[in-house]
Amino acid sequence: GAGVSQSPSNKVTEKGKDVELRCDPISGHTALYWYRQSLGQGLEFLIYFQGNSAPDKSGLPSDRFSAERTGGSVSTLTIQRTQQEDSAVYLCASSEGGAPNSPLHFGNGTRLTVT
Amino acid sequence: QKEVEQNSGPLSVPEGAIASLNCTYSDRGSQSFFWYRQYSGKSPELIMSIYSNGDKEDGRFTAQLNKASQYVSLLIRDSQPSDSATYLCAGPYLYAGNMLTFGGGTRLMVKP
Repeated sequence: GAGVSQSPSNKVTEKGKDVELRCDPISGHTALYWYRQSLGQGLEFLIYFQGNSAPDKSGLPSDRFSAERTGGSVSTLTIQRTQQEDSAVYLCASSEGGAPNSPLHFGNGTRLTVT
Repeated sequence: QKEVEQNSGPLSVPEGAIASLNCTYSDRGSQSFFWYRQYSGKSPELIMSIYSNGDKEDGRFTAQLNKASQYVSLLIRDSQPSDSATYLCAGPYLYAGNMLTFGGGTRLMVKP
């Protein structure tokens, strides 16, 4: 079946512009995560959606970052007034739910370059 | 203390040897753990899940969970150069709605 889909796969933007990154999770998956990974670094947690619960936004690095999940499915990560330090790969992942036995399935990521 | 911790490595082993990757966790209530492999420039991919104390084997991979000591390990037998990658351990953080948390990853290098 279809996996987690992210778009665009690559995005180059000028410093100060806003960007939107999209994630389409596996159908039926209620949990959705956003991570950021800079070159050679580990996964940096950004935000976690679980069903209709309030999202866990504890990983968002600044108020320039926000995310929405509409209808419990597609999610959009928005970065306002982009900075060069925002350059990274942004990974989305989904799982069947908040149960502890649910592994994450990752998309291929969006590589963001801020010039 | 982070919920899940790993030695960043690199861990270097010769081809054909056993590679042993370890992970410790702080949440005593965690019931299940996952090992992911991430090749350079690629997304993490799930390679093993373990839900109970003891060993679980899948081909050349064996996952071990020791709840009393709060560690989980991954053994790779007959290591191949193609196993060279970063291995990530993940477990649920029960106080955050079972949100999966990842260790920083261990870089494995298998030398021919």
